[in-house]
Amino acid sequence: GAVVSQHPSWVICKSGTSVKIECRSLDFQATTMFWYRQFPKQSLMLMATSNEGSKATYEQGVEKDKFLINHASLTLSTLTVTSAHPEDSSFYICSAREGLGFYNEQFFGPGTRLTVL
Amino acid sequence: EDKVVQSPLSLVVHEGDTVTLNCSYEVTNFRSLLWYKQEKKAPTFLFMLTSSGIEKKSGRLSSILDKKELSSILNITATQTGDSAIYLCAIIQGAQKLVFGQGTRLTINP
Repeated sequence: GAVVSQHPSWVICKSGTSVKIECRSLDFQATTMFWYRQFPKQSLMLMATSNEGSKATYEQGVEKDKFLINHASLTLSTLTVTSAHPEDSSFYICSAREGLGFYNEQFFGPGTRLTVL
Repeated sequence: EDKVVQSPLSLVVHEGDTVTLNCSYEVTNFRSLLWYKQEKKAPTFLFMLTSSGIEKKSGRLSSILDKKELSSILNITATQTGDSAIYLCAIIQGAQKLVFGQGTRLTINP
């Protein structure tokens, strides 16, 4: 199956700093990438959807100025958590989809665990 | 508001038992229902269900969708310790959005 990687797999940072997380589709071109957040013992919550070359679409309640998403190429999307605070500590997972149809499977990355001190 | 509810939230059984996990949904513009298995990291895809009443099987796992009842079940027979995981149900809603349920944490004791 298709492979999606994320980097870093975990990161610890001080409050107020910015953190960038990369999501790469390794063996296919991802027309669309999705960013999810998962708090402990909770399910995945979609944060935003990004299509290559266009602005991301954010879900209600997600601050676009705080969670900057860039999908500059068909194999790379980045999520930058700006001025991170302890409440941003979470497991961030990206997924990527090759085609535009809703039947096209989303392939998930391994996730990035962010801890903000 | 779109909603996906899974039950039970947690289940502990012995190896060899059969389990049934439930997923019910209330979404606008339903497309398909998906089941995922999440161990330590990323969810891995199990099934996609689009048509009502057609069972999908993969080894000891099977699943079926009931569009009239707005629900789906995931069955695992002859459970093994390697089946211990969180099982997530998700709906494809609209063009591409996945709405996830809370997950069922399944623990298989030897």
